[in-house]
Amino acid sequence: DAGVTQSPTHLIKTRGQQVTLRCSPKSGHDTVSWYQQALGQGPQFIFQYYEEEERQRGNFPDRFSGHQFPNYSSELNVNALLLGDSALYLCASSDSLFNYGYTFGSGTRLTVV
Amino acid sequence: AQKITQTQPGMFVQEKEAVTLDCTYDTSDPSYGLFWYKQPSSGEMIFLIYQGSYDQQNATEGRYSLNFQKARKSANLVISASQLGDSAMYFCAMREGLGDYKLSFGAGTTVTVRA
Repeated sequence: DAGVTQSPTHLIKTRGQQVTLRCSPKSGHDTVSWYQQALGQGPQFIFQYYEEEERQRGNFPDRFSGHQFPNYSSELNVNALLLGDSALYLCASSDSLFNYGYTFGSGTRLTVV
Repeated sequence: AQKITQTQPGMFVQEKEAVTLDCTYDTSDPSYGLFWYKQPSSGEMIFLIYQGSYDQQNATEGRYSLNFQKARKSANLVISASQLGDSAMYFCAMREGLGDYKLSFGAGTTVTVRA
């Protein structure tokens, strides 16, 4: 049973560019959350998608946007990249019945230069 | 205000000994859940243990146990019989209320197990 799959694993982008990160949830999960983890810090909640809608959003600017597809997979898009966007981006999936069972992927490490 | 506080940036523990990782939390919601995750150098967050605010007993999962002191707003993780593979970053996290879906994480504690 595959867990949460994220792609790519590593990415280097130039300041001002745009990036798309992808996430496939664990089988049986229909909810996807995205987190940003700066080096040496705990993850920060970006947003959560359920039924193809953004259900909740953290304190992140509009440059961060997302999408959820009918198969529950999700994308995180970041526009106008800043050096401060360099971080590990984690995707977590859960089922809608009881969300305590968050399963995380291994993350995408984004470096903005 | 910080919702999750982990005051120990790093800890060393001898193999086969127990270690306690501190976590205090701040919420006014009577319904909340507390989580502990392990993050090895690979980056994946691995779920360890969960404690609900209404749970009467402390949670246990194998070598992991959670010392839940509700009045003190404390949820310390105890790892018994430490193994070399336990060396990792450990995060305490909280989910508040029924309509809040996000996890709020602490800054983490790095555990290094010595042979």
